[in-house]
Amino acid sequence: QKEVEQNSGPLSVPEGAIASLNCTYSDRGSQSFFWYRQYSGKSPELIMFIYSNGDKEDGRFTAQLNKASQYVSLLIRDSQPSDSATYLCAVKAGYALNFGKGTSLLVTP
Amino acid sequence: DTAVSQTPKYLVTQMGNDKSIKCEQNLGHDTMYWYKQDSKKFLKIMFSYNNKELIINETVPNRFSPKSPDKAHLNLHINSLELGDSAVYFCASSQSSGGAGNEQFFGPGTRLTVL
Repeated sequence: QKEVEQNSGPLSVPEGAIASLNCTYSDRGSQSFFWYRQYSGKSPELIMFIYSNGDKEDGRFTAQLNKASQYVSLLIRDSQPSDSATYLCAVKAGYALNFGKGTSLLVTP
Repeated sequence: DTAVSQTPKYLVTQMGNDKSIKCEQNLGHDTMYWYKQDSKKFLKIMFSYNNKELIINETVPNRFSPKSPDKAHLNLHINSLELGDSAVYFCASSQSSGGAGNEQFFGPGTRLTVL
């Protein structure tokens, strides 16, 4: 079973701080990695994807990938209360995505 | 200009009934998926179709049967509903699925409650 592991949280950060969300995966052959945000009662929304080792930045979001360590992370700079949600890490496995169980993020004013 | 839509949004039914959920995407994608999100919020793939061909059929009870009449539509029919089928069912789509890219876009979900 190819696994994707995330700390369930909740991760609590003050407004304006950097939130760091982590994910590890078991399939060393994985090539594509995705971060989704899911607000309560809503559908997952794609934030970022990353395929290559290193960092990828998009606005306040930075995805980091280290294939040797089988580790992918998401940094959210200048966290806002509106960032409070569950963040799902997903790893491509064949045609489908294997999702982690998500990390709950709470940004406090 | 809804990208991925599902109907119904809510479905409340009795055990033993048969029900269907419909999904449509207007993104021009050729691959569609059904995911189940349980009460613990774990999102798990059930089925996938690529150009109307079934390409993923995970270990789900055979009471669940997907059907894709064309590449823009993917329906899910569930026979003899059980209490454990209560969950949120998400449809998703992507443009192809080979290679590294597989950005999937999700519909709003169908919350199924079996009484």
